[in-house]
Amino acid sequence: QSVLTQPPSASGTPGQRVTISCSASSSNIGSNTVNWYQQLPGRAPKLLMYSNNQRPSGVPGRFSGSKSGTSASLAISGLQSEDEADYYCAAWDDSLNGYVFGTGTRITVL
Amino acid sequence: QVQLLQWGAGLLKPSETLSLTCAVHGGSFSGNYWTWIRQPPGKGLEWIGEISQRRGTKYNVSLRSRVTISGDTSKNLFSLKMTSVTAADRAVYYCARCLSGRTSHYCDSWGQGTLVTVSS
Repeated sequence: QSVLTQPPSASGTPGQRVTISCSASSSNIGSNTVNWYQQLPGRAPKLLMYSNNQRPSGVPGRFSGSKSGTSASLAISGLQSEDEADYYCAAWDDSLNGYVFGTGTRITVL
Repeated sequence: QVQLLQWGAGLLKPSETLSLTCAVHGGSFSGNYWTWIRQPPGKGLEWIGEISQRRGTKYNVSLRSRVTISGDTSKNLFSLKMTSVTAADRAVYYCARCLSGRTSHYCDSWGQGTLVTVSS
């Protein structure tokens, strides 16, 4: 079971700003950096954000990430229809000695 | 850009062994963490384990007794074997290339996924 907690869903209209939270513990997000993955329907996950706030090449600037203590968040500014997907946070967990994913958040564009 | 191509049997009977292989194209085997992740239909992602030259193999504690990840550096392949599968192991299995630093660990290249179904 996931040790990183995310809200199951969030939504917004095109152009709005949407934020997804990721709550965890000192052994994962508290000690290591957070990453975010975007999974479009029927597709493999794609790295969206790494090391808390770094965007891989090709990821639009409307995506931003932050971390504070044992929580992290992903923000999407200027929401677009193609952003409709599942989003997962993830981090290395020092206690489990493994990689852990969040429960996932489905973003719906209204 | 690393590309991963995976294959393996998609239909198994209970108690059989799951076997998947992932070929690495365009990247070096060394310095990376070759990883297997699965996703039951309609559910979230679960890390299965990894293999690397730096730290060998690491496995999800909940799966450790049934899982073996191996690599063939001469062929740029790595593989997953999971014994004694049950219906609970039905999932899409992904291979991935992950990078790791002192406090960072992330997966930037993923295979296309293989749906494995377990049914008698």
